[in-house]
Amino acid sequence: AQRVTQPEKLLSVFKGAPVELKCNYSYSGSPELFWYVQYSRQRLQLLLRHISRESIKGFTADLNKGETSFHLKKPFAQEEDSAMYYCALTPGGSQGNLIFGKGTKLSVKP
Amino acid sequence: DVKVTQSSRYLVKRTGEKVFLECVQDMDHENMFWYRQDPGLGLRLIYFSYDVKMKEKGDIPEGYSVSREKKERFSLILESASTNQTSMYLCASSFFRGSNTGELFFGEGSRLTVL
Repeated sequence: AQRVTQPEKLLSVFKGAPVELKCNYSYSGSPELFWYVQYSRQRLQLLLRHISRESIKGFTADLNKGETSFHLKKPFAQEEDSAMYYCALTPGGSQGNLIFGKGTKLSVKP
Repeated sequence: DVKVTQSSRYLVKRTGEKVFLECVQDMDHENMFWYRQDPGLGLRLIYFSYDVKMKEKGDIPEGYSVSREKKERFSLILESASTNQTSMYLCASSFFRGSNTGELFFGEGSRLTVL
């Protein structure tokens, strides 16, 4: 079965500390993987996707097919990074529907 | 900018009522989706549509139906609302890009409370 697992419901770090939000997936084929973010009182929006291999707002994520992981990392957290983060995958050959994890709430303390 | 607009931000309904949630997008996207968002459960796909009059069940379609009569509009219908349908409902749309998945653009959400 296709599944996305985010093991941490809440992650709390201090400003300037490194942050890693974990994401593991279960899928037998070659999925596309994404991170979406929802800031307080804002819409859910795309943060980054693995095929782009880009850094957005200082965040990066590397797809590790051996470990079936797509962890989101940032070396120095900022208070404005506080938000809800969702990892998601879309099965190959699908119409574009996403399977989301349960989300991790990141809280960056001053 | 892509705009996905959900008609109601907050609704309060009674058990057994019929509920319509409307969603309109202005970017000529082929795909439209309805998710529900619950704390601790993340986003779960209810229904999606990849073309006018086409619909596909998602992971939790029970108790819901959808309608897509025009490309820009995708409606979610609760035929007989129940208290366990109290939730935040998110509409999204995307282009269909073949081998690469198009970015999903989300609406602001409709928070439904069923009493």
